[in-house]
Formats: sequence, structure tokens, C-alpha cells
Amino acid sequence: AQTVTQSQPEMSVQEAETVTLSCTYDTSESNYYLFWYKQPPSRQMILVIRQEAYKQQNATENRFSVNFQKAAKSFSLKISDSQLGDTAMYFCAFMKSREESQGAQKLVFGQGTRLTINP
Amino acid sequence: KAGVTQTPRYLIKTRGQQVTLSCSPISGHRSVSWYQQTPGQGLQFLFEYFSETQRNKGNFPGRFSGRQFSNSRSEMNVSTLELGDSALYLCASSLGLRQETQYFGPGTRLLVL
Repeated sequence: AQTVTQSQPEMSVQEAETVTLSCTYDTSESNYYLFWYKQPPSRQMILVIRQEAYKQQNATENRFSVNFQKAAKSFSLKISDSQLGDTAMYFCAFMKSREESQGAQKLVFGQGTRLTINP
Repeated sequence: KAGVTQTPRYLIKTRGQQVTLSCSPISGHRSVSWYQQTPGQGLQFLFEYFSETQRNKGNFPGRFSGRQFSNSRSEMNVSTLELGDSALYLCASSLGLRQETQYFGPGTRLLVL
């Protein structure tokens, strides 16, 4: 079974600073996908970024980027120029590759990191 | 394109009752997954439906069940509610093709008294 660990329960930074959230995972799979989702106080789960394990290049989405270290099973999220709207719970999630062509594979989530951006 | 919608948004029930939650996926999405979120257990996978068939199920008792309709809308049902069923229930939809990203609805917050 896969497990996802987020070792930082809470983090707090000043607006405009850069912050890195950590995530490690355990799996024997060779093909899989990793995600970062954010959950603001509204509780709506929002996709931040996605990484395919077979890609060596780290994914980026505007101010969000990841550092994917497959051998170390590490998947950290870097938020640059942080904004007040980035305040949220951040969840790291793992999804293994599915052999069947149809249907979705389940997401395995970490416990989350509560990030607060201070003005 | 409209996002995933869930109804109702909030629900209060008493122990022993049953409840039905509804999820309408993004237009064109054929897969619907359900997750339970609690402070103690975090986010846990309940089940996934594609083409009206349950294709994957998490480790939950038989009191938790679901179904999917021909228009891809899905319902989940919890019978004989227990206090521990109080949670945020999240629904996620995807195209249903391999490795497609799942997009979440706003959730239904269930409180069992």
C-alpha cells in the first residue's frame, strides 16, 4: 500500500516570501502520478500542480513549482512570491498508474500542511 | 464549463438515520470518486464509479454505498448513521481515461448528532 507523509503540520511566512512544503511517499510502483491540492477555508479542494513520475522535468504552474526526486521519493512544492490568497491547507497526493483504460484511480493523500501567509 | 456540484452542502442527521448525498460531475466527465475527510483520519477514498459501475472501493463498512446514473451523476448513501460518520464528503470527477486529473466539488458537510 502507498503512503504519503507531510512532515510539516503548519507553516507561516510573510507575504512575498518563498515557501517550500515537503512531501515524501512510499511505493513499490514505478509508474505513478503526484499532485498538490490546496484547500482554502471554503473547503473546496483545488488542484495546484501535477507531476508524472516518468517525466524528469519538474512541473511548474506560474508561481508554483515542484522538486521531484524519484529516487528519494520526495515531492516538495515551492510557492514563490507568496500571496494572502495562498493561505490554505495543502495536500500532497499519490495516484498509481492504472492498467485498465477506463475509470479513475484513487488518490492517496498526506495529512496536509496548514500554510498561513501573513501581511 | 461548470464545475463539480454537490448537494446538499450541509446536513444534520441523528444516529440511526440514513442519508443520501448527490454529486454532479463536470460535463463530459464519466468518472466520479467519493472521499471522506475527517480531522482524525484525513482524506480517505470511499469508492469510484465509471459508466454506472463501481470499479474501486475503499475500506469502509457496507453501510456506505453508492451508485451512478446514466448521465454520470452519482449518489452516495450512508445507512444507520453513527457519530463517527460526521465528516466532509468530497466528490471528484474526471474524464475516466487513464491518469486523468480529478477535480473536486465543494463537499457536503454532514453532522451526526
